[in-house]
Amino acid sequence: SAVISQKPSRDICQRGTSLTIQCQVDSQVTMMFWYRQQPGQSLTLIATANQGSEATYESGFVIDKFPISRPNLTFSTLTVSNMSPEDSSIYLCSVEDRKGSRADGYGYTFGSGTRLTVV
Amino acid sequence: GNSVTQMEGPVTLSEEAFLTINCTYTATGYPSLFWYVQYPGEGLQLLLKATKADDKGSNKGFEATYRKETTSFHLEKGSVQVSDSAVYFCALEMDSSYKLIFGSGTRLLVRP
Repeated sequence: SAVISQKPSRDICQRGTSLTIQCQVDSQVTMMFWYRQQPGQSLTLIATANQGSEATYESGFVIDKFPISRPNLTFSTLTVSNMSPEDSSIYLCSVEDRKGSRADGYGYTFGSGTRLTVV
Repeated sequence: GNSVTQMEGPVTLSEEAFLTINCTYTATGYPSLFWYVQYPGEGLQLLLKATKADDKGSNKGFEATYRKETTSFHLEKGSVQVSDSAVYFCALEMDSSYKLIFGSGTRLLVRP
């Protein structure tokens, strides 16, 4: 399966500032996904990032707050803008593992996450 | 809408005990079902999956069977080890959506 390198692994940021999270994959992938895991809660998909096109955002997430770049097939960034304490979460990137056929049920590989604390 | 419900944790077991973590889902169609595991300080790892009714996913001694009649995908292991201590997430994906919907996660603590 793909290997994902995500950084930073953690950061403590002042409110009102922005943080950019990087996700590097060891193979070319069509789609990359960004998730948020709020404290004690489950994961929620923020957006899907395709190379060469605008990211697709899920309900409740907007580009101005979470701009995403996807300059090539192995790399993506997520920026958390104008941060507030409510943005304190773990942010994870993910890619689809394309082994076998879709009928076999692709899995998804996740990065180790970025633990963000906003003070 | 589509959703996943997991039993609340934490679940605390002694080593070699039998494990069941319940997972039920609500979906308008026929989803693929997954169990992911998150070890302390690490990202999520795919544990097992099933794509259609009556399929059984298995890995590392864990099993789960896709039960359409009860809309369930319960995770089981016959004899847990301390190294199984982690948070377990049940998830579904609707056909071609590329979007995983996760349950709230269940923390498992296995004591020696």
